[in-house]
Amino acid sequence: GAVVSQHPSWVICKSGTSVKIECRSLDFQATTMFWYRQFPKQSLMLMATSNEGSKATYEQGVEKDKFLINHASLTLSTLTVTSAHPEDSSFYICSAPRQGRTPNSPLHFGNGTRLTVT
Amino acid sequence: EDKVVQSPLSLVVHEGDTVTLNCSYEVTNFRSLLWYKQEKKAPTFLFMLTSSGIEKKSGRLSSILDKKELFSILNITATQTGDSAVYLCAFSNDYKLSFGAGTTVTVRA
Repeated sequence: GAVVSQHPSWVICKSGTSVKIECRSLDFQATTMFWYRQFPKQSLMLMATSNEGSKATYEQGVEKDKFLINHASLTLSTLTVTSAHPEDSSFYICSAPRQGRTPNSPLHFGNGTRLTVT
Repeated sequence: EDKVVQSPLSLVVHEGDTVTLNCSYEVTNFRSLLWYKQEKKAPTFLFMLTSSGIEKKSGRLSSILDKKELFSILNITATQTGDSAVYLCAFSNDYKLSFGAGTTVTVRA
């Protein structure tokens, strides 16, 4: 079964509003989670690394004030797209490694959130 | 700059055919190479390769890594329509994954 749960699966919002996406590890603790974005016909691009109890680390070109990440507990990370615009419409996916595994353990992905900004 | 290049970008085959997908990479800090299958939702894990020359198999799928020539191959034998998907390879550096553009495989009945 799923080990990483992402909610919502899809969301439509109006331009200028904010949207929050949740990512939960279901049966393990995740001190680190990763947020990816995938535009149509393109591959997944890492946006940021979410760190429990500390600030997220953003990849080059990703606006930290626009994409707010909060990792308040060992099982939950949230991504808030603030003041969303149509160009933010994309597929957002979170992932998490099982704690205790080696650094080479495969990541588990959530089912993704399809965001459409009108 | 690290990069992952997949080829072909897309291909169409008929059920029963064999498919070979390529992934070449140039990375500065390689830990492992992973293959994922993506069907409209999030990727599902197929293989993780860390050692050169050791083939990994799972049913009709198999994969191998060549760390000297910096590439990996994913093979799918006796393809079925359910194999239609985008196949992604990615290299891993401390859990961070850098993905290739993917190969779209379409299997026709």
